[in-house]
Amino acid sequence: GQQLNQSPQSMFIQEGEDVSMNCTSSSIFNTWLWYKQEPGEGPVLLIALYKAGELTSNGRLTAQFGITRKDSFLNISASIPSDVGIYFCAHSGAGSYQLTFGKGTKLSVIP
Amino acid sequence: NAGVMQNPRHLVRRRGQEARLRCSPMKGHSHVYWYRQLPEEGLKFMVYLQKENIIDESGMPKERFSAEFPKEGPSILRIQQVVRGDSAAYFCASSPGRNNEKLLFGSGTQLSVL
Repeated sequence: GQQLNQSPQSMFIQEGEDVSMNCTSSSIFNTWLWYKQEPGEGPVLLIALYKAGELTSNGRLTAQFGITRKDSFLNISASIPSDVGIYFCAHSGAGSYQLTFGKGTKLSVIP
Repeated sequence: NAGVMQNPRHLVRRRGQEARLRCSPMKGHSHVYWYRQLPEEGLKFMVYLQKENIIDESGMPKERFSAEFPKEGPSILRIQQVVRGDSAAYFCASSPGRNNEKLLFGSGTQLSVL
């Protein structure tokens, strides 16, 4: 099956720092989705991207759909303690309802 | 307006027992999906159902696993004769249609097999 490679696997940052994480694949996708999962909860959609080159923001979060359609990145500016969680990228193929998730980037924020 | 409700939140079973996981979709959603998450992994698709129909079960193990979404009542994921490798978090999601952007996940059921 199609694999999504997320990096870094985990990161520890100081409160107030900016964060950047990315997701790559060997296949071309039509959709990139970024989710956040907090401990003991299901994932929650943060940002959806549908077009190559698209740059979308949601508050302090910004995500981009790579020009090659094989990658995407997520930035978090001025991190706060409640940003702690696991961030997953996911995609669905054209017309598909199935989501394929990466293994996630675990973010820890030190106050 | 409650979201996707899953119960139980935690389920402990001994090897060989049956596990039944329930999912009530968000009001107005008729599409239900089950995903499994192993420790340190992303979620993996198992099955997609609409009322009384299994649309795609390509992610379900061939044996011991079954799912249903009856006309009345919640969707059920059933695992017979559980083994230790079935220990995982099982998430249900629902949507009003096939639009991934409107997919809502429940809080999951953590299954532990002793």
